[in-house]
Amino acid sequence: AQKVTQAQTEISVVEKEDVTLDCVYETRDTTYYLFWYKQPPSGELVFLIRRNSFDEQNEISGRYSWNFQKSTSSFNFTITASQVVDSAVYFCALSDSSKNAGNMLTFGGGTRLMVKP
Amino acid sequence: AAGVIQSPRHLIKEKRETATLKCYPIPRHDTVYWYQQGPGQDPQFLISFYEKMQSDKGSIPDRFSAQQFSDYHSELNMSSLELGDSALYFCASSLGPRTGKYTEAFFGQGTRLTVV
Repeated sequence: AQKVTQAQTEISVVEKEDVTLDCVYETRDTTYYLFWYKQPPSGELVFLIRRNSFDEQNEISGRYSWNFQKSTSSFNFTITASQVVDSAVYFCALSDSSKNAGNMLTFGGGTRLMVKP
Repeated sequence: AAGVIQSPRHLIKEKRETATLKCYPIPRHDTVYWYQQGPGQDPQFLISFYEKMQSDKGSIPDRFSAQQFSDYHSELNMSSLELGDSALYFCASSLGPRTGKYTEAFFGQGTRLTVV
């Protein structure tokens, strides 16, 4: 069975601080995808990244960066120089890429990030 | 760019009534997924369709059914509504394995269903 754990239920930072959201996953699958989605107060789910289990390279996109460590089953997400607009709930998710439905996602419980001015 | 369109955005129904939620995927996307997100919960996978055929099934109650039509839009039909069905229902779409692999899923803005 697959499981995603986001131990931090809520994080509060002051604008311009860096913040890291933790994600730990469990799966018996040898191939899988990891995702991060952002859910702002308006409610929609915004896709941020998908990473294949074979690709352990870290990725940077603007102020966002992701650290994938297969050895510790973690896929952490860092926001550099946080802004008020980053305030949202962030979900880490996992899917079995070997199945037909590569987007049958198992979500973590989410981390609510509050960035104060 | 065009996104996933869900309608209605908000819906209020009474217990034991029926509801139909609609999802229009991103143009050219042939795969749709339905998720249910209860208050304060993470989204839970319900069901998915690829090329009008059901491809995977999650924790979808027997009272719910869904289908995908020839234009790839999908409808989620919910009958005998219960208070516990109150949730945000998301549809997502992607390209399916016809292109070699499933691409990442993009979600719609959701339909907020309230059962009273």
